[in-house]
Amino acid sequence: KNQVEQSPQSLIILEGKNCTLQCNYTVSPFSNLRWYKQDTGRGPVSLTIMTFSENTKSNGRYTATLDADTKQSSLHITASQLSDSASYICVVMRNTDKLIFGTGTRLQVFP
Amino acid sequence: NAGVTQTPKFQVLKTGQSMTLQCAQDMNHEYMSWYRQDPGMGLRLIHYSVGAGITDQGEVPNGYNVSRSTTEDFPLRLLSAAPSQTSVYFCASSYSTEGNTEAFFGQGTRLTVV
Repeated sequence: KNQVEQSPQSLIILEGKNCTLQCNYTVSPFSNLRWYKQDTGRGPVSLTIMTFSENTKSNGRYTATLDADTKQSSLHITASQLSDSASYICVVMRNTDKLIFGTGTRLQVFP
Repeated sequence: NAGVTQTPKFQVLKTGQSMTLQCAQDMNHEYMSWYRQDPGMGLRLIHYSVGAGITDQGEVPNGYNVSRSTTEDFPLRLLSAAPSQTSVYFCASSYSTEGNTEAFFGQGTRLTVV
């Protein structure tokens, strides 16, 4: 079954701290893996897209990693800011046209 | 560019009523899609379109209709609203369905059916 599982479900950290979000997937055939940020009441916004051959991709303070052998990905946030409070959704593209969404990790950053 | 625009942002319907959720994009994208987002679940695909005049069903199409008469617009119609259709609906568009093409999402429509 094509699934994307994320952990933890929710996370609370203090401003300035780092954190890592996890994503495991069983989607096949794999095309690419995406991380989206979704602010409360808004639509998802793309952070990174990684193909099978890419191990790491950065977007500012966000760094995504991909291990295609173990079918795992992580999103590392460095020096968190209050504006990082959001849900982070891992999405895997199956074939070349179907997006499989995880349920997201809700991150709250407190001052 | 406005990107992907959805209207309305909020809507309350009575069971049995019909309505249309509007979605428009100004990026000349061929691929457009509708998703619903429910608590504890990932976004699920309702319907999609690979170009004007072409639509197809996604994962959860029952109770919804779509049409694509222009490249810009992709409305979602609820024929007879049911409480199970209470959800947040997102429209998305992308240049194509191939590979690493980025998908852009609208702000969402929060629908409550009572």
